[in-house]
Amino acid sequence: DSGVTQTPKHLITATGQRVTLRCSPRSGDLSVYWYQQSLDQGLQFLIQYYNGEERAKGNILERFSAQQFPDLHSELNLSSLELGDSALYFCASSVLGTAQETQYFGPGTRLLVL
Amino acid sequence: SQQGEEDPQALSIQEGENATMNCSYKTSINNLQWYRQNSGRGLVHLILIRSNEREKHSGRLRVTLDTSKKSSSLLITASRAADTASYFCATYAGAGGTSYGKLTFGQGTILTVHP
Repeated sequence: DSGVTQTPKHLITATGQRVTLRCSPRSGDLSVYWYQQSLDQGLQFLIQYYNGEERAKGNILERFSAQQFPDLHSELNLSSLELGDSALYFCASSVLGTAQETQYFGPGTRLLVL
Repeated sequence: SQQGEEDPQALSIQEGENATMNCSYKTSINNLQWYRQNSGRGLVHLILIRSNEREKHSGRLRVTLDTSKKSSSLLITASRAADTASYFCATYAGAGGTSYGKLTFGQGTILTVHP
């Protein structure tokens, strides 16, 4: 158990809908990352937050947005969902969010868009 | 495109044998990490090797890094059925300790260890 929690574990929804994925980092970690894992794209970095502020952005679509709240939990919002958004979404956390650190991954949220 | 490319894509061995997986990357790195993922589950960090290190050990794991060839290898000795998983290398690009934590993953090697 990494100490990173994600909810929900599974999510089934329809195209055009909007969903929110939630992540709680390990106790003491200030930085949160979001990744998407799909069969065709592999593991892709989406976005990183540090202490409530966006720090780095990857291949995140405009239909997707995220934020980190004062209690350090983070939410990833996916809107206008398409079939291709079906994937595993992982959250990870680390203490300071620097390149020297190990990232600890949560168990993921499996999203299926029908 | 992926920064890290693992080789082989799949590896099937018997329990007790050693498993070697290779990773190549394209740009200069700060460090390289290996992660394990059991089927459809979260990633587990295995080992981190910094760009100024050549070899690192952790239990039955041995990682090497050759920055001149932009490659790394992960050796699992005396493999067990429980080692069956996908293994990914991941890199931080960019120099300096303040580089932000964007990990770039390879496509992974699927390791199957038969009892």
